[in-house]
Amino acid sequence: EAQVTQNPRYLITVTGKKLTVTCSQNMNHEYMSWYRQDPGLGLRQIYYSMNVEVTDKGDVPEGYKVSRKEKRNFPLILESPSPNQTSLYFCASSLSWIQGAQETQYFGPGTRLLVL
Amino acid sequence: RKEVEQDPGPFNVPEGATVAFNCTYSNSASQSFFWYRQDCRKEPKLLMSVYSSGNEDGRFTAQLNRASQYISLLIRDSKLSDSATYLCVVNRAGTASKLTFGTGTRLQVTL
Repeated sequence: EAQVTQNPRYLITVTGKKLTVTCSQNMNHEYMSWYRQDPGLGLRQIYYSMNVEVTDKGDVPEGYKVSRKEKRNFPLILESPSPNQTSLYFCASSLSWIQGAQETQYFGPGTRLLVL
Repeated sequence: RKEVEQDPGPFNVPEGATVAFNCTYSNSASQSFFWYRQDCRKEPKLLMSVYSSGNEDGRFTAQLNRASQYISLLIRDSKLSDSATYLCVVNRAGTASKLTFGTGTRLQVTL
């Protein structure tokens, strides 16, 4: 089954304790992205990757890191989480990116993070 | 001005009703437009892309008005299962890789 998976789905942690949220897709997609969703603000892009070893900042990259060593995986790293990073996080992937092309993004099920 | 604006609703409509949502975007050079559906705190899923000539998929019709910079979604014969939040999504001009999401319009279909 074609899908995007994220782990963990729920996480409660404390300020400053490094954590990683994994994201994996089995559709051989080139493009992957991380978003956070907060009430009243909608989905905001954190980082994206257009292919292996190619990553770039989105709109809200502060406090986050990513890596893309393999095509299928795109982990999100919070080196020193803070309470303002409490949010619902979604990973997404799409086949590729092409100027002007309409590419469907497939989202993972989300990770609810609470930072105390 | 926000890049993508939507009326948050909620729109409360009876089953069988027709309902329409609009979404305005600020960048006239935007090229790709989508409607996504999101059920309560679940992942967004593509409902339909929006093409320049307008497009229809069953009970759903999407239209693009470039002159006025808005897209619309029309739902006919509403079903209870249509209750969800509908997200308007626009690509950033010049960057097909970056999508901007509206905050969504909530639809509640009632008996």
